[in-house]
Amino acid sequence: GNSVTQMEGPVTLSEEAFLTINCTYTATGYPSLFWYVQYPGEGLQLLLKATKADDKGSNKGFEATYRKETTSFHLEKGSVQVSDSAVYFCALVTGGFKTIFGAGTRLFVKA
Amino acid sequence: DAGVIQSPRHEVTEMGQEVTLRCKPISGHDYLFWYRQTMMRGLELLIYFNNNVPIDDSGMPEDRFSAKMPNASFSTLKIQPSEPRDSAVYFCASSSWRQGARTEAFFGQGTRLTVV
Repeated sequence: GNSVTQMEGPVTLSEEAFLTINCTYTATGYPSLFWYVQYPGEGLQLLLKATKADDKGSNKGFEATYRKETTSFHLEKGSVQVSDSAVYFCALVTGGFKTIFGAGTRLFVKA
Repeated sequence: DAGVIQSPRHEVTEMGQEVTLRCKPISGHDYLFWYRQTMMRGLELLIYFNNNVPIDDSGMPEDRFSAKMPNASFSTLKIQPSEPRDSAVYFCASSSWRQGARTEAFFGQGTRLTVV
């Protein structure tokens, strides 16, 4: 079946450090891939997305590239800020139209 | 558009009582999803609708849970009777089509349910 696996957290970084959160997926067909972010007390917000192989999604300094050969969609940011502290979810949507989420990775950024 | 609107934002109820959570999707969206989020199990899809019709309710944990979508602008998730283990944050989300592809799911702010 379709599934998403992302690295366990929490991830703790100092401000301006480089961030990578790994995400791999299993899916039939050609899914669209997403990263969502959830700030405390709020719902999930779309951070970025990619709809086909080799696409790069980017937003607010975050990037992720859809790698079909490795079935991955790793999230990266060159210099994190305290305000990036949140929970990050990798997700996919297939032809079945339901969004399948990973378990989420909590990020703490220290000043 | 105001986004996906859920009510109430917080609900505290006693065990055994009926609880009804409400959702108004974004206008024009044809898919509606109900999710539950807990620390132990993360984000779980409970049920989703397409054009007001339930498509997959395999995530509904028990018969105590039921969901309806009487029209394109309103859905409810009901728990009867409620139990302490139902305490969680319940999210509603909706999605649509754009440029020939399904859009991402747009989430409401959630209802935090506490059953005491």
